[in-house]
Amino acid sequence: GAVVSQHPSRVICKSGTSVKIECRSLDFQATTMFWYRQFPKQSLMLMATSNEGSKATYEQGVEKDKFLINHASLTLSTLTVTSAHPEDSSFYICSASIGTGSNQPQHFGDGTRLSIL
Amino acid sequence: QKEVEQNSGPLSVPEGAIASLNCTYSDRGSQSFFWYRQYSGKSPELIMFIYSNGDKEDGRFTAQLNKASQYVSLLIRDSQPSDSATYLCAVTPLTSFKLTFGKGTLLTVNP
Repeated sequence: GAVVSQHPSRVICKSGTSVKIECRSLDFQATTMFWYRQFPKQSLMLMATSNEGSKATYEQGVEKDKFLINHASLTLSTLTVTSAHPEDSSFYICSASIGTGSNQPQHFGDGTRLSIL
Repeated sequence: QKEVEQNSGPLSVPEGAIASLNCTYSDRGSQSFFWYRQYSGKSPELIMFIYSNGDKEDGRFTAQLNKASQYVSLLIRDSQPSDSATYLCAVTPLTSFKLTFGKGTLLTVNP
């Protein structure tokens, strides 16, 4: 069964709108969650690492003021795409690991398909 | 630049055959290796992970790791049409949780 829940699954909105995406770990605590973006026919690109109780760590080239990440509890991380524009249209996916250690597999949420008109 | 390379395919095999998917990585410090399956329009689903040199079997799937050659593979025995998907290879270094993904190999299993 799913271990990571992501909501909403699809968003269609006008340019300039801010969109919030939620990622929840089910039945386990995740001190670290990850946010990825995937454009059509491309692989997943890590955007940022979300750390519970502290600031997120962003990958090079990802605007932290554009993609706001909040990880206020051990089971919830949110990604807010602020003032979204058509070029932000993509498939956004979160992940979390059960347990600590770099050898723990990451489990992915179902993803959010964002379409900005 | 730490890279993970996969043949983009498509790899086409008949139903019941063995599908062999390959992946190479550039970072010798990579310690954990994962195979994910991604159906079109869906998020990745973990298939297998391997940490040590050699083979690891789980049902119809076998992961093979050769750290000296920086090579990891996934074999799918008795391939089924439902196995048709993009298979993503991903690696992490010892000191980080970050996954680096390959671009994926599209597998098509023909009935």
